[in-house]
Amino acid sequence: GENVEQHPSTLSVQEGDSAVIKCTYSDSASNYFPWYKQELGKRPQLIIDIRSNVGEKKDQRIAVTLNKTAKHFSLHITETQPEDSAVYFCAARDGWGGTASKLTFGTGTRLQVTL
Amino acid sequence: NAGVTQTPKFRILKIGQSMTLQCTQDMNHNYMYWYRQDPGMGLKLIYYSVGAGITDKGEVPNGYNVSRSTTEDFPLRLELAAPSQTSVYFCASSAAGLAVDNEQFFGPGTRLTVL
Repeated sequence: GENVEQHPSTLSVQEGDSAVIKCTYSDSASNYFPWYKQELGKRPQLIIDIRSNVGEKKDQRIAVTLNKTAKHFSLHITETQPEDSAVYFCAARDGWGGTASKLTFGTGTRLQVTL
Repeated sequence: NAGVTQTPKFRILKIGQSMTLQCTQDMNHNYMYWYRQDPGMGLKLIYYSVGAGITDKGEVPNGYNVSRSTTEDFPLRLELAAPSQTSVYFCASSAAGLAVDNEQFFGPGTRLTVL
């Protein structure tokens, strides 16, 4: 089955700096890569996602890049703010949307943005 | 829309007791999932369902059972609770089909402690 590794496990940045979180996956058939943000005691919420036919996607201060050859994808947050402090999870989906759409999650990165 | 709802929010069980975690979604999603999240860890898939009457095992199904008699409901049953089942349980749902993004929407979670 799919295996997703995520690094680093913790990341501390100063407000205004950039943060980068990296994930690798094992199954070359995986085709959809979402990123979830989980604030303390809350549910995971999707912040951005990318499909395997796209190399980069941006949404305001966040962006995701995908390298299919190397089987890795990254989350980039620019101009970090205190409200960006949370745990971020990457995930990879095997199978197409018409069949069982299962996600394999990374172990998470705890991002702390300091003033 | 309420989205994905879960009950109860918190529960303490004694070893050997049984309980059912309830999950309901009002988005008419075909796919539903149960995850567990251990402290400081990612999400592990317990069971999933691609439609009413169809369920399948995920990564960590031992000690759990599910049923899916309606599109809206996907209860998770714990039989003979063990301390290793202490965790936060999240239910999620997503739309089906090749043309949709298949974003998974999560419920608020159930925090279960087995003593």
